[in-house]
Amino acid sequence: QPVLTQPPSASASLGASVTLSCTLSSGYSNYKVDWYQQRPGKGPRFVMRVDSDGIVGSRGDGIPDRFSVLGSGLSRYLTINNIQEEDESDYHCAADHGTGNTFFVVFGGGTKLTVL
Amino acid sequence: EVQLVESGGGLVQPGGSLRLSCAASGSTLGNSWMHWVRQGPGKGLMWVSRINSYGSSTNYADSVKGRFTISRDNAKNTVYLQMDSLRVEDTAVYYCTRRVDAAMRFWGQGTLVTVSS
Repeated sequence: QPVLTQPPSASASLGASVTLSCTLSSGYSNYKVDWYQQRPGKGPRFVMRVDSDGIVGSRGDGIPDRFSVLGSGLSRYLTINNIQEEDESDYHCAADHGTGNTFFVVFGGGTKLTVL
Repeated sequence: EVQLVESGGGLVQPGGSLRLSCAASGSTLGNSWMHWVRQGPGKGLMWVSRINSYGSSTNYADSVKGRFTISRDNAKNTVYLQMDSLRVEDTAVYYCTRRVDAAMRFWGQGTLVTVSS
């Protein structure tokens, strides 16, 4: 099964840009990854889905176009431009894995983004 | 706008049972896969279970298989998670989420389950 690896923390200054990474384990380069934002004390919110070619489908409701995604090999990236205070959140990546009657969703450990 | 509201959480002793509910408003759940995801204190997200739109197909994480049962009542626009033989490590906020266009696009606010003696 795939393993998704995220750095535990990241930081960026107000108005700057930051790129968060999510790395799939070897052999899963064709997997799509979903990004979720979780503000403090709130439930997760879908941001976007990405594969090795870029965004898949539409972004989540209310997600501004300051958010973008990119995929390359085993890595899936979420970039936030012109960072705002409300972007300070935990960001989780996830991937479906299913063969036959087996299905599950694997989450990365999450990255805590601090806005300086 | 779709709203999902979880309920049924609380404090339970190890070995006990709880039933969580997830009620939807603003849209019918009848044509969507529904999932439960949990988050332990200070931890990341962990997928728990899913059910198809008819209630005829379900999947579970290995850690809850045989102890948890997901079900749904489309007439009541509600999804359930029956949790038996609860363990301390099941302590978490439990979220229900609706899958649309192959992504978990709608989430509830969560309900806290605490398993402790």
